[in-house]
Amino acid sequence: ETGVTQTPRHLVMGMTNKKSLKCEQHLGHNAMYWYKQSAKKPLELMFVYNFKEQTENNSVPSRFSPECPNSSHLFLHLHTLQPEDSALYLCASSQDALGRIAEAFFGQGTRLTVV
Amino acid sequence: QQQVKQSPQSLIVQKGGISIINCAYENTAFDYFPWYQQFPGKGPALLIAIRPDVSEKKEGRFTISFNKSAKQFSLHIMDSQPGDSATYFCAAPKGDNFNKFYFGSGTKLNVKP
Repeated sequence: ETGVTQTPRHLVMGMTNKKSLKCEQHLGHNAMYWYKQSAKKPLELMFVYNFKEQTENNSVPSRFSPECPNSSHLFLHLHTLQPEDSALYLCASSQDALGRIAEAFFGQGTRLTVV
Repeated sequence: QQQVKQSPQSLIVQKGGISIINCAYENTAFDYFPWYQQFPGKGPALLIAIRPDVSEKKEGRFTISFNKSAKQFSLHIMDSQPGDSATYFCAAPKGDNFNKFYFGSGTKLNVKP
């Protein structure tokens, strides 16, 4: 596989559930990102990891917990979500997070529905 | 507070026509303005970007026009094709951080055959 792969593609979860989103990149990049894309709203950057270290958390609620075990994998652990968290969650990667964020490659996203 | 205002929200163009999408931004100390293309069921992809030491950048049928004094930039798609039907969104750098961007809310383009 090439590029940025996200699993699952679709996820429906209850507000009391715990689930995880997975992202894997095969591009040899060193930076990975989580974005949230809600209908009719601008893309929102959630977290930035550069060389496995979290360098940015854009005031994301603690019910979203990222994990980056290595430069190729990124997870987003979800627990006690709210219906307003329903959105498309996009993972992206770039060569590094130093001025390259705009050139990131995106995965296809996980469509999350919280019921 | 919306830092990048994108218009129109949706656009219908006949095949062969010109599609024009506009963005207006607020203050930024940095000059790198990308446009992204997103097909249904896919993630966004960087389409074209401009550094406004020039007022226009062209790549194939896609052109960015930049008006620094008006803080506006636009995407023109010449000879629009049905395969161009997608959502397009612009981005502008945040204030004093060249590695953070405000994104527009997107324009859904439908090119009719």
